[in-house]
Amino acid sequence: NAGVTQTPKFQVLKTGQSMTLQCAQDMNHEYMSWYRQDPGMGLRLIHYSVGAGITDQGEVPNGYNVSRSTTEDFPLRLLSAAPSQTSVYFCASGDNEQFFGPGTRLTVL
Amino acid sequence: EDQVTQSPEALRLQEGESSSLNCSYTVSGLRGLFWYRQDPGKGPEFLFTLYSAGEEKEKERLKATLTKKESFLHITAPKPEDSATYLCAVTSGTYKYIFGTGTRLKVLA
Repeated sequence: NAGVTQTPKFQVLKTGQSMTLQCAQDMNHEYMSWYRQDPGMGLRLIHYSVGAGITDQGEVPNGYNVSRSTTEDFPLRLLSAAPSQTSVYFCASGDNEQFFGPGTRLTVL
Repeated sequence: EDQVTQSPEALRLQEGESSSLNCSYTVSGLRGLFWYRQDPGKGPEFLFTLYSAGEEKEKERLKATLTKKESFLHITAPKPEDSATYLCAVTSGTYKYIFGTGTRLKVLA
């Protein structure tokens, strides 16, 4: 039982590049979410999903896309990276009691 | 607008010196208030969920309480291993979670 896994752990991008942050859970949770964490800003919700095929925007969705084709996976896509997207990204699984992954540290130059 | 404010931002305690962390919230229709612990470089770890005013929950040296406007995380006789950032979050009926910026706790031996 791995819980929530995220890949990669670290990533450096150049402005304008695209990438996908991967998130997978093995707890059969319907609810999954993506957050970014910046110094002094706390965790901010980017997108969330209440089940396969259902996604919705959180507090800071601009510049990010998500899809949910299976219960297990919830990837986060950056279509054209910007320096403002430099942050630590956390994926979480579960409603009420959320289980967080270890995070992806992203730097956009 | 839903909002969470945590105080103090940082707290230094001597081992055994009990104290409380505060989480003030504004939310339209509270569905739940959550406490998490976050160690440096890791994802948040779930501690408690509180659903209604007057509710209390305990785990080892931690006790969480809830009123209609705020929650307290009481730490009794803390140990150095309790050093971490403690995060508070709320959600209403929208499945959107709002996190505070956290309290950084340092317990000195």
